[in-house]
Amino acid sequence: AQKITQTQPGMFVQEKEAVTLDCTYDTSDPSYGLFWYKQPSSGEMIFLIYQGSYDQQNATEGRYSLNFQKARKSANLVISASQLGDSAMYFCAMREALRGAGTALIFGKGTTLSVSS
Amino acid sequence: DVKVTQSSRYLVKRTGEKVFLECVQDMDHENMFWYRQDPGLGLRLIYFSYDVKMKEKGDIPEGYSVSREKKERFSLILESASTNQTSMYLCASSFRSGVTNEKLFFGSGTQLSVL
Repeated sequence: AQKITQTQPGMFVQEKEAVTLDCTYDTSDPSYGLFWYKQPSSGEMIFLIYQGSYDQQNATEGRYSLNFQKARKSANLVISASQLGDSAMYFCAMREALRGAGTALIFGKGTTLSVSS
Repeated sequence: DVKVTQSSRYLVKRTGEKVFLECVQDMDHENMFWYRQDPGLGLRLIYFSYDVKMKEKGDIPEGYSVSREKKERFSLILESASTNQTSMYLCASSFRSGVTNEKLFFGSGTQLSVL
């Protein structure tokens, strides 16, 4: 079963508007972490934001916030006031604590965001 | 800043060749990973290593092997390259803190084309 699902292959937004990128996940582990990474056309993977399963508040990092709905197993990324430089591929990823130290992240298939002026 | 360096940005090889992809990190990280990225498939884990000379298979290890003789270096080996191994290969590293918020640091990727 797919662990991380990103249902939006592509999203389009106007500059200065907010955009939400969807991510749902599947795990039976009560302790897990959720990550969002950005990959611009240069190919580099840039860490954006992290949310732990026990965190009471939604994570925020500047213009990025994570809308964490634990019961629905969703961890949507919200980008406020989009900028042209936000155009990139965005990946949602998860780590399950039960898999032990040093385990890899499981990634979704990604969403391509295009920001227009 | 953590630096993860992949030796080649672009690589073109012929079917049947033995291919080495090299990755070096400079932050004394215990864990290192090789992912493969294909359009529409996201990132898929090939192998990872949590210590020198230790390795674990990921989700798609077939056709690949790895080597970690030194802590800072993790090599991905394609024993006999095939056209279906044409892909972007991403190396990553992390501390082994044992907590879920341990993020991965990635290299810039190697775009491998097998002809």
